[in-house]
Amino acid sequence: SSEVTQDPTVSVALGQTVRITCQGDSLRSYYANWYQQKPGQAPVLVIYGKNNRPSGIPDRFSGSSSGNTASLTITGAQAEDEADYYCNSRDSSGNPWVFGGGTKLTVL
Amino acid sequence: EVQLLESGGGLVQPGGSLRLSCVAFGFTFTNYAMTWVRQAPGKGLEWVSTLSGSGATIYYAESVKGRFTISRDNSKNTLYLQMNSLRAEDTAVYYCAHFGSDSFDIWGQGTMVTVS
Repeated sequence: SSEVTQDPTVSVALGQTVRITCQGDSLRSYYANWYQQKPGQAPVLVIYGKNNRPSGIPDRFSGSSSGNTASLTITGAQAEDEADYYCNSRDSSGNPWVFGGGTKLTVL
Repeated sequence: EVQLLESGGGLVQPGGSLRLSCVAFGFTFTNYAMTWVRQAPGKGLEWVSTLSGSGATIYYAESVKGRFTISRDNSKNTLYLQMNSLRAEDTAVYYCAHFGSDSFDIWGQGTMVTVS
């Protein structure tokens, strides 16, 4: 079955820019959505579709895509952005939807 | 305010059954597909099942097909997940999520299921 993969850990200095990536064949056909999850909390959607932010999500979060890779960029990372980030997309084979394994973001 | 509230989790023996519920508030429930997503302790998110607003279209992950049944009662704004033949690997927090804009845009707080 198809899958999407993420780097397990990424770190960024406070106030700097960080890119979290997600790779998979399904991303050639479908946009990725991105979710932020802090310890003990439910996931929160931060980016959906081509590059859309739900109400209440700061504009330092943005999304992009190229080929089989989708990216979540945080411009000017804040301490409160430290969390796990998951991508998800529709899948053209296997299960209809798929999640990446998650990236733990550390803000130094 | 849009809100999802899950319940029904607990401790169950392998081979046992459990039914989860998710009550929705703040939106026209029948107009939206709903989804269950689970997260094993210390692991990532796993999509489990999605049901259309009318109930006519259902999708299941291969890992639960034949054992889990998703359903909804639109008169009660409630989504269900009937889980049978439970296994240790089904141990997880189960979240219900509203499906909007081709994403899981609103999540409940989750309910813990332990199979042991």
